[in-house]
Amino acid sequence: AQSVTQLDSQVPVFEEAPVELRCNYSSSVSVYLFWYVQYPNQGLQLLLKYLSGSTLVESINGFEAEFNKSQTSFHLRKPSVHISDTAEYFCAVSPLSAGNNRKLIWGLGTSLAVNP
Amino acid sequence: NAGVTQTPKFQVLKTGQSMTLQCAQDMNHNSMYWYRQDPGMGLRLIYYSASEGTTDKGEVPNGYNVSRLNKREFSLRLESAAPSQTSVYFCASSLQGARDEQYFGPGTRLTVT
Repeated sequence: AQSVTQLDSQVPVFEEAPVELRCNYSSSVSVYLFWYVQYPNQGLQLLLKYLSGSTLVESINGFEAEFNKSQTSFHLRKPSVHISDTAEYFCAVSPLSAGNNRKLIWGLGTSLAVNP
Repeated sequence: NAGVTQTPKFQVLKTGQSMTLQCAQDMNHNSMYWYRQDPGMGLRLIYYSASEGTTDKGEVPNGYNVSRLNKREFSLRLESAAPSQTSVYFCASSLQGARDEQYFGPGTRLTVT
């Protein structure tokens, strides 16, 4: 069975500091990897995804994530955060198996709080 | 493009009452999903519909039913609400495959007293 572990439930950080949100997964088959963000009182939206090719993927607002197959990780990083990055971040995987039927396996989320 | 819309935004029910949460998408997506979100428990899949005319149970289907009315609409029904169903409910849709992102609605905040 597949699973996703987000290693930190809460990450407090000061504005303009770097941040890393950690995500590990377990799967017996290859997976696609996703990070979603949920701003307060909103639905989730895709931040970035890894499907194939370069293991480093970037979002338009300065986040990046690196797929590490040997460590089965997909950590999210940003070199300098803003107050507006305060949100809940979810890591998810989509197993490439016949029985997947397009379901995502979700982590429990990491709450990023950026303080002035 | 409205994306994924959900109604209502807020609802308060008494134990034992029934209600239907409505969801519609205008992106011509094949797959649709219902999730519930509770503090500390992340997102849990209630039901999903891989394509029009099919529905399948997710992780937590007990106490819920769904209808994929057509390609656009996917409703979630609570037949006899219980306090344990107090939650925020999200509908989502995706084009088709495992590589496609899911698009989420704004959510319905349901309280059962």
